[in-house]
Amino acid sequence: QQQVKQSPQSLIVQKGGISIINCAYENTAFDYFPWYQQFPGKGPALLIAIRPDVSEKKEGRFTISFNKSAKQFSLHIMDSQPGDSATYFCAASATNSGGYQKVTFGTGTKLQVIP
Amino acid sequence: GAVVSQHPSRVICKSGTSVKIECRSLDFQATTMFWYRQFPKQSLMLMATSNEGSKATYEQGVEKDKFLINHASLTLSTLTVTSAHPEDSSFYICSADPLTGLGEKLFFGSGTQLSVL
Repeated sequence: QQQVKQSPQSLIVQKGGISIINCAYENTAFDYFPWYQQFPGKGPALLIAIRPDVSEKKEGRFTISFNKSAKQFSLHIMDSQPGDSATYFCAASATNSGGYQKVTFGTGTKLQVIP
Repeated sequence: GAVVSQHPSRVICKSGTSVKIECRSLDFQATTMFWYRQFPKQSLMLMATSNEGSKATYEQGVEKDKFLINHASLTLSTLTVTSAHPEDSSFYICSADPLTGLGEKLFFGSGTQLSVL
């Protein structure tokens, strides 16, 4: 069962355009929603994250929009650059019985920004 | 920023041998570390949660006798793939949760590409 669904699977955007990646979750216990960027052959790196009590968070060119009632959240990359070309994973986490956050990843979106 | 070092970055081994992968938090302590497996063009799948000083917690479907995890100190966790077979070939990634336990910033290693011949 895929607890975090992500779309699209791949995305091609012109340089300077807006890249939009969408995610939906099912588990209402999730209380933290990070986005990760991964380059080939490397581990993921935290890009930006949001908690459900906030509807939007912006950091530089990256913005997360969060809709708690719809259980959906999205990543917007403004002024997309070729260097943004990577695979992006949304994720969701909740504190488990062991007292730590267990992260569930989306299926990933491969973004290609063309000049 | 916090750094998680994973070693080796790439390993090729013969079928039937065992391979050890190390995950170290270089500038912070981590009571909890996580091990993931990633197949090409797929997402990260959590294999197990490693807790310092106690037994690891394995996800459903992950063989604990196959994937041995040892979290000997607050800065080191190891994953040993025992009697590796070609189907174990994958990209293995660790992550570490700083002692704050908030899990808000999981720091990831750079991954280990395992190829079993």
